Amino acid sequence: GENVEQHPSTLSVQEGDSAVIKCTYSDSASNYFPWYKQELGKRPQLIIDIRSNVGEKKDQRIAVTLNKTAKHFSLHITETQPEDSAVYFCALNSGTYKYIFGTGTRLKVLA
Amino acid sequence: GAVVSQHPSRVICKSGTSVKIECRSLDFQATTMFWYRQFPKQSLMLMATSNEGSKATYEQGVEKDKFLINHASLTLSTLTVTSAHPEDSSFYICSASDGNYNSPLHFGNGTRLTVT
Repeated sequence: GENVEQHPSTLSVQEGDSAVIKCTYSDSASNYFPWYKQELGKRPQLIIDIRSNVGEKKDQRIAVTLNKTAKHFSLHITETQPEDSAVYFCALNSGTYKYIFGTGTRLKVLA
Repeated sequence: GAVVSQHPSRVICKSGTSVKIECRSLDFQATTMFWYRQFPKQSLMLMATSNEGSKATYEQGVEKDKFLINHASLTLSTLTVTSAHPEDSSFYICSASDGNYNSPLHFGNGTRLTVT
């Protein structure tokens, strides 16, 4: 079945630096790619998403890029702040109701 | 909009008892709801997909007789963990879809189940 690989599993950055998380997938039918942020003991919250008809989307300090040819999409967080520390999950949907989640990246922003 | 309410947020039960978890979509009709299980420091593992008025579809390795799912209306799905054992202790999260698979999932707050 569909598989999503997410890297890195942990990431530490200094406050103010950028953080990049990458996910690769195998099913070329995938057409919707959301990113979720999950704080400890809380629900995953959607932070940004992208659909297959665009290559990049930005929302303030957060951006997502999609390369359908290479089958990977990345989350970019600029000017990181301590409150960005959390676990981030990529996900994708291949045209069904089933979403596939990445393995997660634990981001730690050091003050 | 798109609020999903999940109850209870925490539950402690004894081995052998059953626990019911409710998931409600408050401001939209959820044609499909998903139940996930999450172990510490791990990703979300899909347990089953429930569609209103029909039987749930369970993922491979998930016991349907142990994790009973009912989706009786377009706003409510329940997960019952039957004859719970300590290894069932986990964080259970529901999510709901409005039927548009190009839309994000909306998650409940999760239920922390501890079986003693």
